[in-house]
Amino acid sequence: QVQLQQWGAGLLKPSETLSLTCAVYGESLTGFYWSWIRQTPGRGLEWIGEVIHTGDANYRPSLKSRVTISVDTSKNQFSLSLNSVTAADTAVYYCARGRDELYYWGQGTLVTVSS
Amino acid sequence: EIVLTQSPATLSLSPGERATLSCRASQSIRNSLAWYQQKPGQAPRLLIFDVSNRASGIPPRFSASGSGTDFTLTISSLEPEDFAVYYCQQRSNWPRALTFGGGTKVEIK
Repeated sequence: QVQLQQWGAGLLKPSETLSLTCAVYGESLTGFYWSWIRQTPGRGLEWIGEVIHTGDANYRPSLKSRVTISVDTSKNQFSLSLNSVTAADTAVYYCARGRDELYYWGQGTLVTVSS
Repeated sequence: EIVLTQSPATLSLSPGERATLSCRASQSIRNSLAWYQQKPGQAPRLLIFDVSNRASGIPPRFSASGSGTDFTLTISSLEPEDFAVYYCQQRSNWPRALTFGGGTKVEIK
């Protein structure tokens, strides 16, 4: 059974860098796309970007200048880095597997940006 | 960017009733449309992919159809566990992106 387990800091100050990691259990990273999505009451579900095992990544245009999604195949993990965060980046962040649709999801991490 | 508009925002129904949820795209999309169910405090759960294919373990009371810009998710007879928020989602290639609709809340009447 495929499981995604995510972790990272839940409270950040403005201008800091958000860092989250998602470990994949029950399946190899190889051959699949791995995404990060965030959710807020106001903006709903937003796709942040995706990475494949080669390290090739695609990003949401509005976040592209601040985001990096990377993969560590040796640990079967992938990560999200979002720099220069503001209050607008406060959200529940999810990792997920999929290209056209998102089949498996992590449990979600609430990230709050506050001074 | 393709925008997905879901309607209604809220659907108030009783268990056993039929639910019909709509998702309209701002332009014609390929068959890459999915539906998710989300309950409070949980991640979304994939129900339907490629417009009409049920994901593994999804009961047959969930069905979906559509083409072009108009898509529908139908729950034939609501069970108590079906009261939740439902989202549609599509994938575009140029630029590469996944977009979600704003959701439809199915609540107990």
